[in-house]
Amino acid sequence: KQEVTQIPAALSVPEGENLVLNCSFTDSAIYNLQWFRQDPGKGLTSLLLIQSSQREQTSGRLNASLDKSSGRSTLYIAASQPGDSATYLCAVRESAGNQFYFGTGTSLTVIP
Amino acid sequence: DAGVTQSPTHLIKTRGQHVTLRCSPISGHKSVSWYQQVLGQGPQFIFQYYEKEERGRGNFPDRFSARQFPNYSSELNVNALLLGDSALYLCASSLVWIGGTEAFFGQGTRLTVV
Repeated sequence: KQEVTQIPAALSVPEGENLVLNCSFTDSAIYNLQWFRQDPGKGLTSLLLIQSSQREQTSGRLNASLDKSSGRSTLYIAASQPGDSATYLCAVRESAGNQFYFGTGTSLTVIP
Repeated sequence: DAGVTQSPTHLIKTRGQHVTLRCSPISGHKSVSWYQQVLGQGPQFIFQYYEKEERGRGNFPDRFSARQFPNYSSELNVNALLLGDSALYLCASSLVWIGGTEAFFGQGTRLTVV
């Protein structure tokens, strides 16, 4: 069964810092990987979708990379802002199925 | 364009009762999935529907059921509620049921069972 792990579980950084969130998955037979943001008590906001054939995707200050063979993805946030404070979840969709497998998330706090 | 909409946003039920949660996908999206998110955990897959047919089912008891209507909206039903069913229930929509399309989530329904 696919297992998704996110490290660290929590992260606190001063405003303006660049940071990296990590996601690892156990089965490399994935169709795609999607990064989400979740504010407390709210739903999920899609940030970036990376297909299995891609190495990275960028949107504004966000850059996500994928190394399928090693079962890893990273989300890079440049010049962090207090508004970036949220929980970041990564989810993989396997080739053989259609459900997402989620990690438990990284709780990010950006201190003004 | 409206995103994925879920109703109600909050709900309090008593153990043993039944609950129905509703989801309207993004216009043009034909696939709806349901997830349960317990506090502090990542979402867990419950069901996926596409073109009114069940395309996937997660490891949940038979007390959980769902259906999709001709307009692609969906309902999640939970019978005989337990305290452990308290969670945020999330609905996701996508264009098709499989493949590389992006999934979009609603704001969720917070269910509290007392």
